[in-house]
Amino acid sequence: ETGVTQTPRHLVMGMTNKKSLKCEQHLGHNAMYWYKQSAKKPLELMFVYSLEERVENNSVPSRFSPECPNSSHLFLHLHTLQPEDSALYLCASSQAYGTGGYEQYFGPGTRLTVT
Amino acid sequence: GQNIDQPTEMTATEGAIVQINCTYQTSGFNGLFWYQQHAGEAPTFLSYNVLDGLEEKGRFSSFLSRSKGYSYLLLKELQMKDSASYLCAVRDSNYQLIWGAGTKLIIKP
Repeated sequence: ETGVTQTPRHLVMGMTNKKSLKCEQHLGHNAMYWYKQSAKKPLELMFVYSLEERVENNSVPSRFSPECPNSSHLFLHLHTLQPEDSALYLCASSQAYGTGGYEQYFGPGTRLTVT
Repeated sequence: GQNIDQPTEMTATEGAIVQINCTYQTSGFNGLFWYQQHAGEAPTFLSYNVLDGLEEKGRFSSFLSRSKGYSYLLLKELQMKDSASYLCAVRDSNYQLIWGAGTKLIIKP
């Protein structure tokens, strides 16, 4: 595997379900990100981890819970979601967080539908 | 508030040149990125500007004017595979990326 991988690619869940999204980066990067992408809206940064520590939490509802067990893996745990949470969830990584022109490498995303 | 403005959609002809503009109002500036995103796929990095001027990479060039809060992405010799959304993002004083909503570029034969 190369780059950034995400599983599952598609997920349909009810509002009472609990599920997890998984992201893995094979680039040796130190920073990982979760984004939400809704149609015709800017990417919304949800969480940032740098060296396995959470450094950003942009007022995300508690029904989204991130976990970063090591520098290569990132999870997003989901519970009691709302229909408006349906979106494409993108994971990204970069060499470092903060200074420098480090571009982010994105995974293919998980298309989430909440019914 | 922080804001990135891009046209929602543009149409161009195969073989032609197109310029996609991006204007921004952010709290500080620490670089501007352009990404390409094909439908149903991940965004991929195209260019990074932190100083004023033009950066050229093959058929793609990106320009920045920090005093005007303005950038553009120039695509030359358009190909059908260039049909995609183009995302502009600015890194603010806290090194957080602020994203535009993207410009959908449609290429016609």
